[in-house]
Amino acid sequence: GAGVSQTPSNKVTEKGKYVELRCDPISGHTALYWYRQSLGQGPEFLIYFQGTGAADDSGLPNDRFFAVRPEGSVSTLKIQRTERGDSAVYLCASSWQGSNSPLHFGNGTRLTVT
Amino acid sequence: GEDVEQSLFLSVREGDSSVINCTYTDSSSTYLYWYKQEPGAGLQLLTYIFSNMDMKQDQRLTVLLNKKDKHLSLRIADTQTGDSAIYFCAEMLDDYKLSFGAGTTVTVRA
Repeated sequence: GAGVSQTPSNKVTEKGKYVELRCDPISGHTALYWYRQSLGQGPEFLIYFQGTGAADDSGLPNDRFFAVRPEGSVSTLKIQRTERGDSAVYLCASSWQGSNSPLHFGNGTRLTVT
Repeated sequence: GEDVEQSLFLSVREGDSSVINCTYTDSSSTYLYWYKQEPGAGLQLLTYIFSNMDMKQDQRLTVLLNKKDKHLSLRIADTQTGDSAIYFCAEMLDDYKLSFGAGTTVTVRA
């Protein structure tokens, strides 16, 4: 079946603007994750959804970052008042049930804030 | 910095074996993972091992786990040019959250 799909693949925005990044998980996967990967580093955890609720949002760097998953499938990561330091690749992953299940990643959205 | 540590670079001749090493910190991690990332792409799940196992083999891939030393390794037999990529080791924390190393860039030379 289809893998995790992320749109857009690239996003360039100006400092101070608002952006939304979308993730379509693998069908049937109840758990969804957002990670951020900066150049030359491994992915860093942002937030974990189990169904519609955010079970762990401890990785969100500040209150400019917010994510939703209203129907327990598609998720949107929202960044307000973007800063140049937000430039990174934002990776979405899903897993079958969350607990001890392997994560399957999408190809990411490369965000560049100018 | 990351709690999972890996060497940053590995150069290997085509046809030889590659060994990528990793150390992790959480002795309660139930699963440990290896992911592969090619340029401009997301992370591809390569293999994973349950913490009560010492070894897992999957075609050209062999994972060794030394739980006492918190050391994980990935061996790729008969390394090919298509194996050139960044390889990430990750430990699963709290049964759901992956903590990644910085990645090992593997370069396969002819």
